[in-house]
Amino acid sequence: NAGVMQNPRHLVRRRGQEARLRCSPMKGHSHVYWYRQLPEEGLKFMVYLQKENIIDESGMPKERFSAEFPKEGPSILRIQQVVRGDSAAYFCASTPGEGDEQFFGPGTRLTVL
Amino acid sequence: GNSVTQMEGPVTLSEEAFLTINCTYTATGYPSLFWYVQYPGEGLQLLLKATKADDKGSNKGFEATYRKETTSFHLEKGSVQVSDSAVYFCALSDLYNQGGKLIFGQGTELSVKP
Repeated sequence: NAGVMQNPRHLVRRRGQEARLRCSPMKGHSHVYWYRQLPEEGLKFMVYLQKENIIDESGMPKERFSAEFPKEGPSILRIQQVVRGDSAAYFCASTPGEGDEQFFGPGTRLTVL
Repeated sequence: GNSVTQMEGPVTLSEEAFLTINCTYTATGYPSLFWYVQYPGEGLQLLLKATKADDKGSNKGFEATYRKETTSFHLEKGSVQVSDSAVYFCALSDLYNQGGKLIFGQGTELSVKP
């Protein structure tokens, strides 16, 4: 049973470009959480999604950030018009149900030049 | 709101030394508590957890006890190995009030020297 997959593992963007981060949950998992790890900091919750629904987006910046988890395919975290402050490691975690153990992917390390 | 505070690192120990990483929390409900470990370049792995007061989580020689009276969940290991070098995160989850999202401490880097 493959673990949580994230791609790309490393992403470089110039200021103003768009970044798309993908997360494929473990088989049988229908819940996805996204977290951001800024340099020298712990992980901060961003958004919690179930298939086709955003359940909690209280940690998402109000502008430029969006997330989706369609019925088919991976969850996508999209950052429009990236700025240097968006440089961070972005992790997703999946669970089979709310409150169950979260299994983390290896992360996508975004660098904004 | 809920929060987690853990001791600052980096912590440097010699092999076979005793390890303690302090973690305290603030929560309005009855959270579950976790320790995660992150090896360089990798995602987080669950190390151990405790879901109610006085529970002790344990795994791979690591232990932590959920202390409601002191709002603490300190991580301990009696004899560390070089392979334990990693960043350790304390976290809480308050399912009924906050839907299961994890709230993390800032992480403590552990370096074990041979």
